[in-house]
Amino acid sequence: SQQGEEDPQALSIQEGENATMNCSYKTSINNLQWYRQNSGRGLVHLILIRSNEREKHSGRLRVTLDTSKKSSSLLITASRAADTASYFCASGGTSYGKLTFGQGTILTVHP
Amino acid sequence: SQTIHQWPATLVQPVGSPLSLECTVEGTSNPNLYWYRQAAGRGLQLLFYSIGIDQISSEVPQNLSASRPQDRQFILSSKKLLLSDSGFYLCAWTEPSLRQGVMNTEAFFGQGTRLTVV
Repeated sequence: SQQGEEDPQALSIQEGENATMNCSYKTSINNLQWYRQNSGRGLVHLILIRSNEREKHSGRLRVTLDTSKKSSSLLITASRAADTASYFCASGGTSYGKLTFGQGTILTVHP
Repeated sequence: SQTIHQWPATLVQPVGSPLSLECTVEGTSNPNLYWYRQAAGRGLQLLFYSIGIDQISSEVPQNLSASRPQDRQFILSSKKLLLSDSGFYLCAWTEPSLRQGVMNTEAFFGQGTRLTVV
């Protein structure tokens, strides 16, 4: 069953603005991962943050993790039209690499 | 470099017909392999995972089965499809566990198969 909930379900912004997506999970984790999915395609890994980390950066991406609140956020700065996609968080690391996905946020960036 | 191949890309099958989706991984040995299903507009649900040849674990009861006849080949099957089997099926792999259980590695996904049961 899906344990993650993502907020918002859909986000529409203009190019150049920042996009923030939030994720909550229910059970303990070893890591929290974010993936991107273009329409009708496979998922692409964006970033992984371990349970003992609080913040991580990769290019225009910034991820935070609050294990006390069982939540994570993904910030995309200076968004581009090419960032339009669905974004999923996934909790993992507890057993053989299995991932538990959230329901995703659909991000639309208008040029 | 490692690659993952999944086929077919789309499939329309009548209710009651059999199913076979195939996934192969290149460029790595003894990967962990996974089958996920994605319902329209929803997140992914893990169906099966495998840590080795003929070692398959099912996560949810269902009309589907999985097999791993070779190290880098993972097959999703059904003897008789149901309407509820429609969805987007994704194969994925990760590096094998260095030790039992805990892994902090990313998953690599195939491009998916869109299955419509009519």
